[in-house]
Amino acid sequence: ILNVEQSPQSLHVQEGDSTNFTCSFPSSNFYALHWYRWETAKSPEALFVMTLNGDEKKKGRISATLNTKEGYSYLYIKGSQPEDSATYLCALGTDKLIFGTGTRLQVFP
Amino acid sequence: EAQVTQNPRYLITVTGKKLTVTCSQNMNHEYMSWYRQDPGLGLRQIYYSMNVEVTDKGDVPEGYKVSRKEKRNFPLILESPSPNQTSLYFCASSRGASYNEQFFGPGTRLTVL
Repeated sequence: ILNVEQSPQSLHVQEGDSTNFTCSFPSSNFYALHWYRWETAKSPEALFVMTLNGDEKKKGRISATLNTKEGYSYLYIKGSQPEDSATYLCALGTDKLIFGTGTRLQVFP
Repeated sequence: EAQVTQNPRYLITVTGKKLTVTCSQNMNHEYMSWYRQDPGLGLRQIYYSMNVEVTDKGDVPEGYKVSRKEKRNFPLILESPSPNQTSLYFCASSRGASYNEQFFGPGTRLTVL
């Protein structure tokens, strides 16, 4: 069974701090790596889908990098805001998606 | 508006009473899937479908059935629900499994007494 691990499990930061989390995955059987943002009482929403080693994607203050050879991806949030508070999920794309358990981010004003 | 809809959004039922959770998408997506979310376990895939009449088991298929008779609909059937199926269920669709972002429905919170 392929395993996707995310760290840390949870993170508390002050408004304005920059932060990052890690997603680790087996580098064999790699097709794509997904990042989703999941706010409480809502549904997960896609942030990025990355496929190439060295890929970097950016959406506003959020960016992600991908290293398929060593099997990890980083998600960065620059200048965190309270509205960034959410659970951030990564998922390994094979013939299906395998999700990690997420990093729960809380940003305090 | 492009969306994935699920019904019902909330359901409380009793052990053994058959139920169906509907899922429908209006984006002409080929790939659809069902997930359950339990505390500390993240999203786990129950079943997925690559296209009409093609379904496959995910990681936790026991106790569930699905069908894909039409492209837009992918109902989840619990023939004889048990309390361990109490969970938050999400349906999702996309153009493909691996390379395309998933669009999630609003979720169905199921409680089996």
